[in-house]
Amino acid sequence: KNQVEQSPQSLIILEGKNCTLQCNYTVSPFSNLRWYKQDTGRGPVSLTIMTFSENTKSNGRYTATLDADTKQSSLHITASQLSDSASYICVVSRSTGNQFYFGTGTSLTVIP
Amino acid sequence: GAGVSQSPSNKVTEKGKDVELRCDPISGHTALYWYRQSLGQGLEFLIYFQGNSAPDKSGLPSDRFSAERTGGSVSTLTIQRTQQEDSAVYLCASSSSLAGLPFAKNIQYFGAGTRLSVL
Repeated sequence: KNQVEQSPQSLIILEGKNCTLQCNYTVSPFSNLRWYKQDTGRGPVSLTIMTFSENTKSNGRYTATLDADTKQSSLHITASQLSDSASYICVVSRSTGNQFYFGTGTSLTVIP
Repeated sequence: GAGVSQSPSNKVTEKGKDVELRCDPISGHTALYWYRQSLGQGLEFLIYFQGNSAPDKSGLPSDRFSAERTGGSVSTLTIQRTQQEDSAVYLCASSSSLAGLPFAKNIQYFGAGTRLSVL
């Protein structure tokens, strides 16, 4: 069964601290994995997209890693800011068909 | 346009009524997606349009849901005989296989969504 699981479900951290969000998937055959940031009441915004051959990709203070062998990805946020408070969604797509599989997201709250 | 535009932003309707949700994708984007996000749930894929190809309707939850894309641009998602479980935020996204600044290729750009409440 094609699934995407994210952890933790929610996370509260102090401003300036780092954090890591996890995404495990069973989607096969794998095509790519995306991390999205979704502010409350807004549509999701793409942070990174990673294909099978990519292990690490950075976008500013966001760094995503992918281990296609263990089917795990992580999103590391460095020096968190209050504006990082949002839901972070992991989306995995198959290389056949046009199906996308979504995690339920991690809700991150950054407090001063 | 500058981004994906969805209307209305909020819609309240009575159970059993039909609703239409509109999506204006980024100009030139050939791919258009509809998703919905129910309270506490992740994004759920509904339907995908790519150019003139037959749409991928595999995510539509029932035959009460349908979508059209006229002229390869604007799309309308129609829900007939709405039910309370249809209450959700409906999101539209568009993408292109070609790079066209400031938009990157193969990245889905989302609208702000339509919040549908069925009473």
